[in-house]
This record gives sequence, structure tokens and C-alpha cells, in this order.
Amino acid sequence: GIQVEQSPPDLILQEGANSTLRCNFSDSVNNLQWFHQNPWGQLINLFYIPSGTKQNGRLSATTVATERYSLLYISSSQTTDSGVYFCAVGSEYGNKLVFGAGTILRVKS
Amino acid sequence: EAGVAQSPRYKIIEKRQSVAFWCNPISGHATLYWYQQILGQGPKLLIQFQNNGVVDDSQLPKDRFSAERLKGVDSTLKIQPAKLEDSAVYLCASTPWGNEQFFGPGTRLTVL
Repeated sequence: GIQVEQSPPDLILQEGANSTLRCNFSDSVNNLQWFHQNPWGQLINLFYIPSGTKQNGRLSATTVATERYSLLYISSSQTTDSGVYFCAVGSEYGNKLVFGAGTILRVKS
Repeated sequence: EAGVAQSPRYKIIEKRQSVAFWCNPISGHATLYWYQQILGQGPKLLIQFQNNGVVDDSQLPKDRFSAERLKGVDSTLKIQPAKLEDSAVYLCASTPWGNEQFFGPGTRLTVL
């Protein structure tokens, strides 16, 4: 099955810093989503981005499907950005998501 | 628009007991998924429904886990009997005919 690798596994930032999270996947996909899991365990949808670039406030994401990777950019980080960021991909329309192991982000004030 | 609803939010049971979780997807979403998230890992699919039919249950431990979606709306996931390794967060997700999945708040299960 499809493999998903996220890097880095852990990241500690000072408030106000920028960061880039990476997601590599092993096969072609027609679904790619980025999630933020908050301390209560809720998965918050950040981006649905099987290809191209999107921006939402301080967050943006780019997926280069032909090279099988996606990047999540966080600018001017805030303490509320702390949590686990997951990349998840689907290889068939409407099919299950395969998740990476996540990146644990800690933003210090 | 209301999100995916799940209950209970937390459950503590002893091993060999049974437990059931409930999920109500976003209105109109035909596809419903149950995922299991063990501490420190990403969620993994247990079962996928399209309306009230099972699409994928290849990762469901069928000797102890069962799930149903009788009327094509809400769904129940049951574990009987529970084992210690079933301690996890159980997440329900739904999607319309499109692709983007939306997750509920999850049920945190502790098996003692």
C-alpha cells in the first residue's frame, strides 16, 4: 500500500518564527489533506490539496503531485499552533486516508 | 453546518467487557469511516461504509469488532470482548460524494 513519511518528527519554535513541514508519499494520489490535531484530539482540517497551492491566513500548502510531496508552511507561529500536524493521502477516489506519523510542533512564547 | 458527532467522548472499561461507540455524520454525507488512533501514531482505517454498505473492512479485527450503518446515516462500532491493546481514540469521519474527509471529536477508550 501507499506509504507516507512526514518530516521533521519534532519541531520546537519560538513564537513568531516560520516553519516548513514536509510530506512524502510513495504513489500517485487523488486526495491529500493536512490536519492539525489539537490537545483534545480533534482533527482540524487545514487543507484539501491533492495538487497546487493554497493559502489560508498564516498557513499555506503546496503539493507537487508529480514529485510526490507536499509542504505545509506556517508563518509567524503562535503558541496556539502547537500540536500534531498530520498529512494524509488517498490513492483512490472516496477511499480511505493513509496517515503519516505526524510532526509534533511546540511553539514557545 | 453541524459537524460529525460522536459519543461518548470518553470510556473506561475493564478487559473482556464490551463497549459501543456512536457516530452521526454530516447531513447528506454518503461515506462514513471509522479510524483507530493509538497513542503516538496516525489514525488507521477500521471500516468504510458507502450508504449502508461496507466498502472496506480489511483492517477490522472481526473476531471482536463489529460495525453497522443500518439506515445509511448514523453508525455504531462495537468491541466485544475488549483487550488492553484496544485502548485508543476511535475517530469517525464522513465525506459527501467528493473526497475531503471531515472528522468527529473522537471517543477515547481506556481498557484496564
